[in-house]
Amino acid sequence: TQTVSQSDAHVTVFEGDSVELRCNYSYGGSIYLSWYIQHHGRGLQFLLKYYSGNPVVQGVNGFEAEFSKSDSSFHLRKASVHWSDSAVYFCAVSPMNQGGSAKLIFGEGTKLTVSS
Amino acid sequence: AQTIHQWPVAEIKAVGSPLSLGCTIKGKSSPNLYWYWQATGGTLQQLFYSITVGQVESVVQLNLSASRPKDDQFILSTEKLLLSHSGFYLCAWSMLGDNQDTQYFGPGTRLLVL
Repeated sequence: TQTVSQSDAHVTVFEGDSVELRCNYSYGGSIYLSWYIQHHGRGLQFLLKYYSGNPVVQGVNGFEAEFSKSDSSFHLRKASVHWSDSAVYFCAVSPMNQGGSAKLIFGEGTKLTVSS
Repeated sequence: AQTIHQWPVAEIKAVGSPLSLGCTIKGKSSPNLYWYWQATGGTLQQLFYSITVGQVESVVQLNLSASRPKDDQFILSTEKLLLSHSGFYLCAWSMLGDNQDTQYFGPGTRLLVL
């Protein structure tokens, strides 16, 4: 059974601070890992994805994430947050292509609040 | 550029009434299409996916059904709504071989069942 765990339900930081949102997964096979952002009342926007190669992947708006096989983790980071980064962030696991569909399993989400 | 449109934006419906939610993708030919449900303040759960017209696979049914009548259209429906159907419904698309099946989401439909 694949699981995705985001240990922090809420994270609050000040504008200009750095932030790390944690994601741990459990899966026995090959996977893709993704991060999505959901602003209040909106659909999800894709931030970044890891599937192989360099364990540090760059995404939009200055976000990056680092894959660690030993820790089963895929934490999201940003060096300097802006108030507009306030949103809910979802980590997702997708087993590598199984016959033409992409099953996405989402974590519980982390609500990031950026204060000015 | 691809666009994904969902309708309606929001609905308030009575328990036991029928429901039909729609999703249209423009700018992509033969996409994979997906329906997700999100409880208020909760995570997303994949409900259905479709890789071609007329073919839909169920992941979690929740007393809902889905159909794909056209290449660019995905419909979610039920004949009898339950209170537990309230939430946020999101449609998504992906392309095989395009960035390893990254899924792109629509704006969603908010449903309140009373």
